[in-house]
Amino acid sequence: AQRVTQPEKLLSVFKGAPVELKCNYSYSGSPELFWYVQYSRQRLQLLLRHISRESIKGFTADLNKGETSFHLKKPFAQEEDSAMYYCALHAGNNRKLIWGLGTSLAV
Amino acid sequence: KAGVTQTPRYLIKTRGQQVTLSCSPISGHRSVSWYQQTPGQGLQFLFEYFSETQRNKGNFPGRFSGRQFSNSRSEMNVSTLELGDSALYLCASSLGSQGEAFFGQGTRLTVV
Repeated sequence: AQRVTQPEKLLSVFKGAPVELKCNYSYSGSPELFWYVQYSRQRLQLLLRHISRESIKGFTADLNKGETSFHLKKPFAQEEDSAMYYCALHAGNNRKLIWGLGTSLAV
Repeated sequence: KAGVTQTPRYLIKTRGQQVTLSCSPISGHRSVSWYQQTPGQGLQFLFEYFSETQRNKGNFPGRFSGRQFSNSRSEMNVSTLELGDSALYLCASSLGSQGEAFFGQGTRLTVV
């Protein structure tokens, strides 16, 4: 079954410390993975996708097919990074988006 | 360009009633997806419409239904409301790939 797991419900880090938000997925095919972010009182928005391999707001995420992970990282956390982060998997013949439960990051 | 617009923003309904929520996607976007967001269950996919056809469906009872019009605007309907239907309902539109979605602010539904 296709599944996305974000093991941490809440992650607290100090300003300037490195951040790693974990995302593991279960899918036997070729996945398409995304990170979405929801700042307080703002709408959910796309942060980055693995295909583009870009860095947005200092965040990067690398798809590790061997470990079936797509962890989100930032070397130095800022207060404005405090938000809810969701990992999502686009997979399957019917191309549904499957979401993790989210990790609340507090800086 | 204007973002995804959902109306109304807030709704209070009583058990047994029905409700219709509306979503206007970004101009040019033909795919509209609906999600239910609750603190305990997170984001759960309801259904996706593309060019007026339901393309994907989540695991929700038949009380939840939707439709899409020729201008890509979409509505979702929930009949015979239950207390457990209280949630934030999010709509997202995309050009093609459902993965790159643009979300609306949501409609907060409270069932009493």
